[in-house]
Amino acid sequence: KNQVEQSPQSLIILEGKNCTLQCNYTVSPFSNLRWYKQDTGRGPVSLTIMTFSENTKSNGRYTATLDADTKQSSLHITASQLSDSASYICVVRSGAGSYQLTFGKGTKLSVIP
Amino acid sequence: SAVISQKPSRDICQRGTSLTIQCQVDSQVTMMFWYRQQPGQSLTLIATANQGSEATYESGFVIDKFPISRPNLTFSTLTVSNMSPEDSSIYLCSVVRLAGSYNEQFFGPGTRLTVL
Repeated sequence: KNQVEQSPQSLIILEGKNCTLQCNYTVSPFSNLRWYKQDTGRGPVSLTIMTFSENTKSNGRYTATLDADTKQSSLHITASQLSDSASYICVVRSGAGSYQLTFGKGTKLSVIP
Repeated sequence: SAVISQKPSRDICQRGTSLTIQCQVDSQVTMMFWYRQQPGQSLTLIATANQGSEATYESGFVIDKFPISRPNLTFSTLTVSNMSPEDSSIYLCSVVRLAGSYNEQFFGPGTRLTVL
């Protein structure tokens, strides 16, 4: 069964600090992995998409890594801002035939002043 | 990016009633989906909205409970029928569009439904 597990479930950090969110998956065959940011009361917004051959991809203060061998990904947030407070969702697309996504439950990040 | 709007943004309904949620996209898309996000849970795919034919439902979701219309390539509706408190959730419309070299998936703002 395809699964995506995220940790931690929630995280509180001080403004300006860095943090790293983890994602482990068992989706097979693998097509790509995406990180989304979901503000409270809003729909998810894409941060990065990574394919099998990509190890690192940055989007401003967000840097995602992918280890396709261990089936792990991380999202590193640098110099956090209050506006980073949101849920971060890891999503893996299967490469098998139809368009199929497996969603993690997300990590709820709270950045406090 | 795709601009997706949903109506209503939120609603509070009585059990036994039905609510229709509208999704409008700023340009034509082939692939359109409806998701449900229950409190503290990940997104769950309800169905793929197919233009000109019946929607394709995922396991655990049926047309009688969640009828879907897709009259054209920019618009779809999802109806939550005979609602119960267990239907309280966020319902999200989503589309897939080519962005650069990837098929990017975009989400609407969601409709927050509370059933009393």
